[in-house]
This record gives sequence, structure tokens and C-alpha cells, in this order.
Amino acid sequence: AQSVSQHNHHVILSEAASLELGCNYSYGGTVNLFWYVQYPGQHLQLLLKYFSGDPLVKGIKGFEAEFIKSKFSFNLRKPSVQWSDTAEYFCAVTRAGRRALTFGSGTRLQVQP
Amino acid sequence: SQTIHQWPATLVQPVGSPLSLECTVEGTSNPNLYWYRQAAGRGLQLLFYSVGIGQISSEVPQNLSASRPQDRQFILSSKKLLLSDSGFYLCAWIRGTSELTGELFFGEGSRLTVL
Repeated sequence: AQSVSQHNHHVILSEAASLELGCNYSYGGTVNLFWYVQYPGQHLQLLLKYFSGDPLVKGIKGFEAEFIKSKFSFNLRKPSVQWSDTAEYFCAVTRAGRRALTFGSGTRLQVQP
Repeated sequence: SQTIHQWPATLVQPVGSPLSLECTVEGTSNPNLYWYRQAAGRGLQLLFYSVGIGQISSEVPQNLSASRPQDRQFILSSKKLLLSDSGFYLCAWIRGTSELTGELFFGEGSRLTVL
């Protein structure tokens, strides 16, 4: 069965620190990859996505993610976090021909001012 | 523009009682519809998805069922709730296409507490 692993469950950083959240998936075929974010009291929303092409994907608010096929990974990065980045981050994967996303367990990011 | 609505937003039910959570999408046709359950530390668990009226795919064997009586309506039900059914339920939609290449749009969620 397809699974998505997020190894960091809770991350605490100071403002201006760099961020990297890990995401690994288990499916070996062609995949589409997503990062979603849920700010406190708000809906889940898409941060960025990868379908094909350049494995380094840039999203909103300065976030980027790199698809490394050999490592089955899609890690999320941001060079300098802000207090407003405090949120829960979810990695999600779907494979070609499948109609639904499989989500990871989420990483709660807390940025201290 | 497209919108998605879920209700009720909050529900407290006794064990053994029935459940009905409703989700409707406006401003689009033939969407793919999803029910997810969000639990602390466990992320989002896909429960059901539907690619059309009367077409339901179940991802996890459980006490719940889903139905899609109309193109833009998706209902999550149970005949007899269990304590373990407590959680935060999210409905989501995406444009109906042969390949899932777009993003999911989520509703506001329904928090269910079973006592």
C-alpha cells in the first residue's frame, strides 16, 4: 500500500532560522507530490506541487521543495522562517491513474519570535 | 467561483446514534469528492471518494458509509456511532479529470464528538 512518511512531528524554530521538513513516500511508480499547509483556524491549502520537469519546485511564501526520485523524497524548505509560518504542514502523494491523495501525518511547525 | 460547504460544523452524539454529515460544492460540475478524517498526530486519513453520482470508493473498512445522491452533494453516514468515530471530518473536491493533477479544495470541517 502507498504510504507517506513525515519524520518530524513537531518542529520549533526561531525566526530567520532555516527550515527543512522531510517527506518520504513508498510508491515506486510515477507520482504527483504536494505540500499542503493549515494555518491556525484556517482551511488546508496548497503550498506547492510537483508533477514533472524541474525537480526543484517553488511555491507560495518563499517555500520550495525538491523531488529526489532515487530517495523517494520530497522535502520542504524555506531559507528563513517567519512567525507567520507557524502552521501544520502535510505532504501528500498520488500516483498516475489514482483519483485520491494520500497524506502524511503532518508536521507542526512553531516559529518563535 | 467555486465554494464548498460542510454541515454541521460541530456535532456531539451518543454512542449508538446515527450520523449524517453533508457536503455540497457550488460553482462546478462533475467534481471528484472526498471525505477525510483528521486526527492529531495521524494526519489526514482518506475515508471515501467519489468520481460521480452513485460511485463510491471506500479506502478503510469501518463503521461509516458515504453516498452521492447528486452531482455536487456528498454525505457521510453511520447507523450506529462508536467512540472511535470521534474526530474532525473534512470534505474536499477537485475538478473531475482522468488524472489527478490539480489541487484539493477543502471545506471548513465538521468536528464530531461521540460520548
